[in-house]
Parts: sequence; C-alpha cells; structure tokens
Amino acid sequence: TQLLEQSPQFLSIQEGENLTVYCNSSSVFSSLQWYRQEPGEGPVLLVTVVTGGEVKKLKRLTFQFGDARKDSSLHITAAQPGDTGLYLCACNNYGQNFVFGPGTRLSVLP
Amino acid sequence: DARVTQTPRDKVTEMGQEVTMRCQPILGHNTVFWYRQTMMQGLELLAYFRNRAPLDDSGMPKDRFSAEMPDATLATLKIQPSEPRDSAVYFCASGLVRDGTSGLETQYFGPGTRLLVL
Repeated sequence: TQLLEQSPQFLSIQEGENLTVYCNSSSVFSSLQWYRQEPGEGPVLLVTVVTGGEVKKLKRLTFQFGDARKDSSLHITAAQPGDTGLYLCACNNYGQNFVFGPGTRLSVLP
Repeated sequence: DARVTQTPRDKVTEMGQEVTMRCQPILGHNTVFWYRQTMMQGLELLAYFRNRAPLDDSGMPKDRFSAEMPDATLATLKIQPSEPRDSAVYFCASGLVRDGTSGLETQYFGPGTRLLVL
C-alpha cells in the first residue's frame, strides 16, 4: 500500500511571507496531485504532474516534483489570507484511484 | 459549470438509525468515488465504481455500509445501523477514465455530507 506523508502538519504565518510544504511517498508514483480544501467544501484540484523533475507554476504557487517521483513540494510566495486551507497531496501508482496524504493545514494571518 | 452534487449537506441522527447519502456525478464521468474525512484519519477511500460496477470497496465496513449506483446519474452510500464512530464528512467524487489510457485523469469532489451520529 502506498503511503503519503505531508509536512508540516500545521503552519501559521503572516500575510506576505513565503512558505513551502512537502509531500513524500513510500514508493514511486505515476502521477501526483495537489488539492486545496477550504472549510465546509470538498478538495479542489490545483495541479497534476506526471513527469519526474517537473516544475509547474500557478500564479504565486510553485509545484516541484522530485526526479525520483517519490516526493513533491508546494511553495507559496507572498502568502495571502485567501491561501488559508488544507493542502492535500494525492498519488496514483498506475492504478485506478488516488491515495491521499494527511494534509498540511495552513493559516495565513492578515 | 458542471459539478458533483451531494445530498443532504448535513445530517444528524441517532445511533441505530439508517442513513442514506446521495451523489450526482458530473454528466459523462464514468468513475465515482466515496470518501470519508475525519480529523484523525484524514481522507479515506471507502469505495469506487467504474461504469456503475463496483471496483473496490475494501475501505468500507461491509457489515453496516453499502454503496450502489442505481443508474449513471445517482450513487448512494447507506449506513445501517449507524454508530457514533461513523460521524464524519462523506465526500463523493467523479472522474473520467478514457478507453485505452493508463487510468484516472483527475477527480472532482462534491461539497460533502456532514454526518453526526448521536
């Protein structure tokens, strides 16, 4: 069974600061996704990656994927209160479903 | 703007009662998932369907939980009898697996059903 770890578990920062959160898998994955979940809502997909070493940018969010396809990071530049939420990574190992990590709960204070 | 819908959004019930949660997947999606989310366990996969057929329900307690897809526009998750430990947010998600591809491209989540069993 593929397991995902995410760190840190909780993160509280001031508006304008930069931050990085991490996702690590116990084994190689074929694809990985990052989601953001806000209170009272379902997770919303941010990005999907399938290539080792790939870097994707989404406005102030930068997603980097390890060459070995076992880890990933999400960097947020100049965080804003609207970035507050639970950030989940999910991996797929050539299967038909995704396994989710426990998430990083981010709070950005104004 | 296509989206997954779930009903009810909130449910409070007493231990021993039957609970039925419903999901309408995005039109054209052929894969439907049921997840449960708690603070302690995070997001757990309970069961999923492809073209209405159950593919994996190993994450679901079989003695009290059942999941069905009566038709392509409706998925149901039933708990009978419910217990306090079933209190959680239950999410439905749908996605598309195209013929000849390696697997699921992505999945779209509904807003969830918040269940409280007293």
